Amino acid sequence: SQKIEQNSEALNIQEGKTATLTCNYTNYSPAYLQWYRQDPGRGPVFLLLIRENEKEKRKERLKVTFDTTLKQSLFHITASQPADSATYLCAPPSSSNTGKLIFGQGTTLQVKP
Amino acid sequence: ETGVTQSPTHLIKTRGQQVTLRCSSQSGHNTVSWYQQALGQGPQFIFQYYREEENGRGNFPPRFSGLQFPNYSSELNVNALELDDSALYLCASSFSYGRGGEQFFGPGTRLTVL
Repeated sequence: SQKIEQNSEALNIQEGKTATLTCNYTNYSPAYLQWYRQDPGRGPVFLLLIRENEKEKRKERLKVTFDTTLKQSLFHITASQPADSATYLCAPPSSSNTGKLIFGQGTTLQVKP
Repeated sequence: ETGVTQSPTHLIKTRGQQVTLRCSSQSGHNTVSWYQQALGQGPQFIFQYYREEENGRGNFPPRFSGLQFPNYSSELNVNALELDDSALYLCASSFSYGRGGEQFFGPGTRLTVL
């Protein structure tokens, strides 16, 4: 079955550094992948979508890569700020229903001043 | 433009009871998806509605059911509540499905089953 894995350990970094979060998927090849941010007690907020024919996508301080050979997506936040502290979720679609997103368990990022 | 809203915010029920959660889609969106999120986990897909028809279902038993109304608002009903149903229930709306469009999530309903 399709499996999405994110690093379950929290990532602690210093303000100003680059945070890199990993999302690995197995047993299928999604046509695209979305990244969301979730703050405690709130719903996820869409950040970026990257398609299988795109190697890299950028939005302000965010960058996402999609390596279909490694079956991996990397999510980078450059010049990180304490306000970036949140849980980040990777979400490719199901192979059987592309409207259904399969979420990883999320990686919690803590940026220290 | 109004975002996705959900009601109630919090709910406490006892085992065996029934619950109805409500979701109002973002203006212009015709697709609603429901997710269950346990503490420390990512959201798990329950089902999706497109133009009032169920359009895909996750690995949830039939006691989880839903409706979408002509104005694209939606309900999630859960019968015979179990302790494991305690979770944050999220509703997400989008315009059409299968096109990779972003989903807009509501703030969720926190359900506690005692």
